Amino acid sequence: AQSVSQHNHHVILSEAASLELGCNYSYGGTVNLFWYVQYPGQHLQLLLKYFSGDPLVKGIKGFEAEFIKSKFSFNLRKPSVQWSDTAEYFCAVIAGGGADGLTFGKGTHLIIQP
Amino acid sequence: SAVISQKPSRDICQRGTSLTIQCQVDSQVTMMFWYRQQPGQSLTLIATANQGSEATYESGFVIDKFPISRPNLTFSTLTVSNMSPEDSSIYLCSVNRGSYEQYFGPGTRLTVT
Repeated sequence: AQSVSQHNHHVILSEAASLELGCNYSYGGTVNLFWYVQYPGQHLQLLLKYFSGDPLVKGIKGFEAEFIKSKFSFNLRKPSVQWSDTAEYFCAVIAGGGADGLTFGKGTHLIIQP
Repeated sequence: SAVISQKPSRDICQRGTSLTIQCQVDSQVTMMFWYRQQPGQSLTLIATANQGSEATYESGFVIDKFPISRPNLTFSTLTVSNMSPEDSSIYLCSVNRGSYEQYFGPGTRLTVT
């Protein structure tokens, strides 16, 4: 079975700082990778996804992630964070078939200080 | 995307009772999923519910404790049976609309006393 590891559980940054959240997965076959975001008091939203093709994917709100197959990683980045980026971020994976549910990492609680 | 609603949005229940959570989608979907998010934890898949077949449960979850119905392509229910305080969680449904993307409902916050 696949698993997902997020390296940082709590991250505190100042506005305009650059962000990188680590995500590694363990699965030997084809995977589909996701980052979800949960803003305070809101439900889970899809931030970006990788299925195939260009390993650098862009999502909403200026976020991007890079799939590095050799490292089993899918790190999330944003060059300049804003206070409104304060949220919980979850990395998730589905094994190749796509008919299964998502396996989530434990999440990273990001706090942006104004 | 998909518009997903859940009822109730929250509830406080007594130990030993059961609660049925409803999930309604704005259009037909083949696959629906139920997740649990325990306090301070990530989301864990409980089961996958396809219309017209028995739900498929993940390791650690059983039908007697979490019976699921899927009577049509826009609706599903999850029942949390014989509740204990350990069942206090947020329960979320999600749908897969033919691709690998899943869209989530707002969740049901359950507190068991």
